[in-house]
Amino acid sequence: GAVVSQHPSRVICKSGTSVKIECRSLDFQATTMFWYRQFPKQSLMLMATSNEGSKATYEQGVEKDKFLINHASLTLSTLTVTSAHPEDSSFYICSASPRGLYETQYFGPGTRLLVL
Amino acid sequence: GDSVTQMEGPVTLSEEAFLTINCTYTATGYPSLFWYVQYPGEGLQLLLKATKADDKGSNKGFEATYRKETTSFHLEKGSVQVSDSAVYFCALVSGGYNKLIFGAGTRLAVHP
Repeated sequence: GAVVSQHPSRVICKSGTSVKIECRSLDFQATTMFWYRQFPKQSLMLMATSNEGSKATYEQGVEKDKFLINHASLTLSTLTVTSAHPEDSSFYICSASPRGLYETQYFGPGTRLLVL
Repeated sequence: GDSVTQMEGPVTLSEEAFLTINCTYTATGYPSLFWYVQYPGEGLQLLLKATKADDKGSNKGFEATYRKETTSFHLEKGSVQVSDSAVYFCALVSGGYNKLIFGAGTRLAVHP
């Protein structure tokens, strides 16, 4: 149980285009989903927290207009990187927290984004 | 603000060696502490956790004890295997904010 999937697992896009990454909780309802960014050989940095049906809360320094997050249902959150640039190339990871289990986060396998 | 400091890697060990990965934290209040493991090509998995002082988390032969007096949560295993090769992240959640704060990660390589 407690499986989180991400799609796609890897994406290459041209500079200036937008890319959408999906995060799904497959066997539980996720009140809260989180989006992280992981740089090579570095830790995960929280980008934003999203609660189902409400606007995401972004961490300081994260551009909300560039990283659009939608949490339309209890099993799906999407991250859209708009007008992507090479510096947006990174590993994006989502996690999902089941209803009532606030200290428990289940992580997706991540999405590798390469912007050319 | 809250933070987690881990020993830098990589840590390279022979199979059956003893493992310690140091982790210290800074937090207001009483955080919950976690160790996550990331195997090559996979997402993070919770390895163990402890929610209050003197608690010991354990799983798959790994252990860590929540030491409030030294603000530490060191990860140990008595006999590592090649399959333990991965990146290990120490993390905390504090203040009821449901926000995980990670250390930089420590890469462990175990060779036969």
